[in-house]
Amino acid sequence: GENVEQHPSTLSVQEGDSAVIKCTYSDSASNYFPWYKQELGKRPQLIIDIRSNVGEKKDQRIAVTLNKTAKHFSLHITETQPEDSAVYFCAARADDKIIFGKGTRLHILP
Amino acid sequence: DTGVSQDPRHKITKRGQNVTFRCDPISEHNRLYWYRQTLGQGPEFLTYFQNEAQLEKSRLLSDRFSAERPKGSFSTLEIQRTEQGDSAMYLCASSLVGNTEAFFGQGTRLTVV
Repeated sequence: GENVEQHPSTLSVQEGDSAVIKCTYSDSASNYFPWYKQELGKRPQLIIDIRSNVGEKKDQRIAVTLNKTAKHFSLHITETQPEDSAVYFCAARADDKIIFGKGTRLHILP
Repeated sequence: DTGVSQDPRHKITKRGQNVTFRCDPISEHNRLYWYRQTLGQGPEFLTYFQNEAQLEKSRLLSDRFSAERPKGSFSTLEIQRTEQGDSAMYLCASSLVGNTEAFFGQGTRLTVV
């Protein structure tokens, strides 16, 4: 079955700097890769997703890249702000089942 | 509220008791997923439904766990003979068929004492 590895587990960046979170997946049949943000005590919420026929997608300060050959995908947040502090999860979907990474706790330092 | 709703939000139970959680998905969503999340971890897949059919169960799901979606709408997750290791947040999510966004409910936090 699918296995999703995510790193780093914790990331601290200065406000205004960029943050990058990386994930790898194992199942070459995976074709949909969502990223979720979870604030303390709240439900995970989708922030961006990418499908396997696309190599990059951008939405304002957030971008995701996908390398299908290497089975890597990454989340990039530019010009980080205090409200970006949260836990971020990558996920991969194969056979209609969504498998999540273990998460990255992002701290934005003032 | 047209989002995914879960009930109860919190449940405290004694070890050995049975518990049942309910999930009401977004009305037109035919896919429904159950996940378990412990502190500092990502959502761990338990099982999922397409309409009323349960299509897959995680190998991690013991025989004490059972889920149903009898009419293809709401779903229930039952845990029999609860153990302390069952303490976690149980999340439900729903989506349409295909590579579309899965929407999560707010979860049921289970504490087994």
